[in-house]
Amino acid sequence: GAVVSQHPSRVICKSGTSVKIECRSLDFQATTMFWYRQFPKQSLMLMATSNEGSKATYEQGVEKDKFLINHASLTLSTLTVTSAHPEDSSFYICSARVDRYEQYFGPGTRLTVT
Amino acid sequence: KNEVEQSPQNLTAQEGEFITINCSYSVGISALHWLQQHPGGGIVSLFMLSSGKKKHGRLIATINIQEKHSSLHITASHPRDSTVYICAAWLRGGNEKLTFGTGTRLTIIP
Repeated sequence: GAVVSQHPSRVICKSGTSVKIECRSLDFQATTMFWYRQFPKQSLMLMATSNEGSKATYEQGVEKDKFLINHASLTLSTLTVTSAHPEDSSFYICSARVDRYEQYFGPGTRLTVT
Repeated sequence: KNEVEQSPQNLTAQEGEFITINCSYSVGISALHWLQQHPGGGIVSLFMLSSGKKKHGRLIATINIQEKHSSLHITASHPRDSTVYICAAWLRGGNEKLTFGTGTRLTIIP
């Protein structure tokens, strides 16, 4: 099946710094990738939809200036958490769309902001 | 109220038992996924279905569109089946996006 990778798998950063998370589709091209956030014992929540070559579409309540998304190629989308705060600590997971209703998930990135 | 509801939240069973996890949704859907989330957080897609029934090994997924309900069954359960199972549905209307249930934590005791 299709493989989606994420890097890094785990990151610890200081409050106020920025962190970039990469999501790659390894053996297929994805015009659409999704970014989710998951807090402990909660379900995944969609943050934004990333479309190759155009601006991301953010869900209500997600600050686009804080969570910068770039989808510069058909195999790579990046999420940058700017000026990170402890409340941004969470599990971030991306997925890449294969067709209209099918998508494959990356392994996730655990972000801890100290 | 979440548009995708799962039950039970936690399920503990003996090895070999037949397992059923339920998912109900409140609006029309285009497709429904059953996912498995491993302890490290990674998610694996088990099934995607929009009607009927699918089977893969010991796993069976069914969906009843009229009743807005889907089930995931595991036959001859094994301790390695212990993990979190998540139902997620593409809800119709407006901004179509994948909406997740809260998950079911399954523990199979040897």
